[in-house]
Amino acid sequence: EAQVTQNPRYLITVTGKKLTVTCSQNMNHEYMSWYRQDPGLGLRQIYYSMNVEVTDKGDVPEGYKVSRKEKRNFPLILESPSPNQTSLYFCASSLKGFGRNTEAFFGQGTRLTVV
Amino acid sequence: DAKTTQPPSMDCAEGRAANLPCNHSTISGNEYVYWYRQIHSQGPQYIIHGLKNNETNEMASLIITEDRKSSTLILPHATLRDTAVYYCIVRVGLFGAAGNKLTFGGGTRVLVKP
Repeated sequence: EAQVTQNPRYLITVTGKKLTVTCSQNMNHEYMSWYRQDPGLGLRQIYYSMNVEVTDKGDVPEGYKVSRKEKRNFPLILESPSPNQTSLYFCASSLKGFGRNTEAFFGQGTRLTVV
Repeated sequence: DAKTTQPPSMDCAEGRAANLPCNHSTISGNEYVYWYRQIHSQGPQYIIHGLKNNETNEMASLIITEDRKSSTLILPHATLRDTAVYYCIVRVGLFGAAGNKLTFGGGTRVLVKP
């Protein structure tokens, strides 16, 4: 089954404690991306990757890091989480780009709370 | 990308067709119209997309006006599980960095009632 898998689904952590949210897709997609969703602000892109070792900032990259060492995996790293990073996070993938006549697949989300 | 305008909410009776409008009056010739939905904090789900012609798949139909300035997503027989926020997105199909994201607006919150 084609899918994007995020882990963990729920996470409560303390300020400053480094964490990683994993994302994996089984569709051999080139494009992957991370979004965060906050009430009243909608879905905003954090980082994206167009292929292995190719990543770039989205609209709200501050406080986040990503890596793309393998095509299937695109982890989101919070080196020093702060309460304003409390949010619902989604990973997405697409074969050739998110607007290029093709559909995007989204993970089920990770609800992160930073206290 | 062209801006889209959708009604903030609408109700629909179970078993009836749900017609969701979207205005995109500034759309350009090479921009696709995409529809996604999000069911209660789950990941957005792709529904359908089109460029000029009407499209149909197992989930829905997409009707695009001849001037392409508006479109309608039709859920032919709405069920309670179709209750969700529906997003209309207009996007140019570009290669490389320009094709890197979908921009989600406020969407239409659809409530299917028994």
